[in-house]
Amino acid sequence: EVQLLESGGGLVQPGGSLRLSCAASGFTFNSDAMSWVRQAPGKGLECVSVISGSGGSTYYSDPVKGRFTISRDNSKNTLYLQMNSLRAEDTAVYYCAKAGEGSGWKRFFDYWGQGTLVTVSS
Amino acid sequence: DIQMTQSPSSVSASVGDRVTITCRASQGISSWLAWYQQKPGKAPKLLIYGASSLQSGVPSRFSGSGSGTDFTLTISSLQPEDFATYYCQQANSFPWTFGQGTKVEIK
Repeated sequence: EVQLLESGGGLVQPGGSLRLSCAASGFTFNSDAMSWVRQAPGKGLECVSVISGSGGSTYYSDPVKGRFTISRDNSKNTLYLQMNSLRAEDTAVYYCAKAGEGSGWKRFFDYWGQGTLVTVSS
Repeated sequence: DIQMTQSPSSVSASVGDRVTITCRASQGISSWLAWYQQKPGKAPKLLIYGASSLQSGVPSRFSGSGSGTDFTLTISSLQPEDFATYYCQQANSFPWTFGQGTKVEIK
C-alpha cells in the first residue's frame, strides 16, 4: 500500500524558513517523480514543485522560484521542500504527491499525502 | 501558462442524477488531462487520467471524455459519497495547472 506522510508544517513569521518532509513507502521511490502541491485556505490546487525520480531534474512555479528548493533522498525514501523567505501568500496546506501516471514530464498525481499546514503570519 | 476553466462552479443534484462537469484548456493539451475528487479536509483523489482512463479502484459510474481543449467528467448515477469538489488538471506542459474546481452539492 502506497503511503505518503508529510511533516514539518507550522506557524512561521514572514521572511522565515521551514522544511517540509514526506516519508514514502509502498512503492519503488526512485522510480517516480514527486511533487509538492499546495492549497490555500478555501482555494484551489497549485503545483509548486516537481522533482524527477533520480533527483536530477526539478521544476518550480513562478511564485516560489528562487525561494523554495525541492530535493529527495532516495536512500531514505523521503522528499523535502525547503521554504525560505516565506510570505503570507504561502499560507496553505502542502501536499506531497506521487506523479506516477503518465510519461516523461507529462504526469498525473496518483497518490497524495494527508497534507501539512503552513501558516505564515506575524 | 495553460489556463484550465471548469464549468459550472457548483451544481446541485440529487442521488441518482447524471452529473456532467466540463473543463476547457486555453490551448490544446491532447489527452493530458486528469480529474480529481476532493472531500472537505481530505487530500484529492485521482479518478480519471489520460482524459478517459479510469484509475484503479474508482467506480465505473465515473467516466471522462474529450481531447484537445474540451473535456468532460460524467457521473452516471450520483451516489451519496460523490458529493465533493472536482478538479481537472493538465499535464501537457509546465506549470501543471488545475481548474478552479466544481462543487457537487446535495439538492
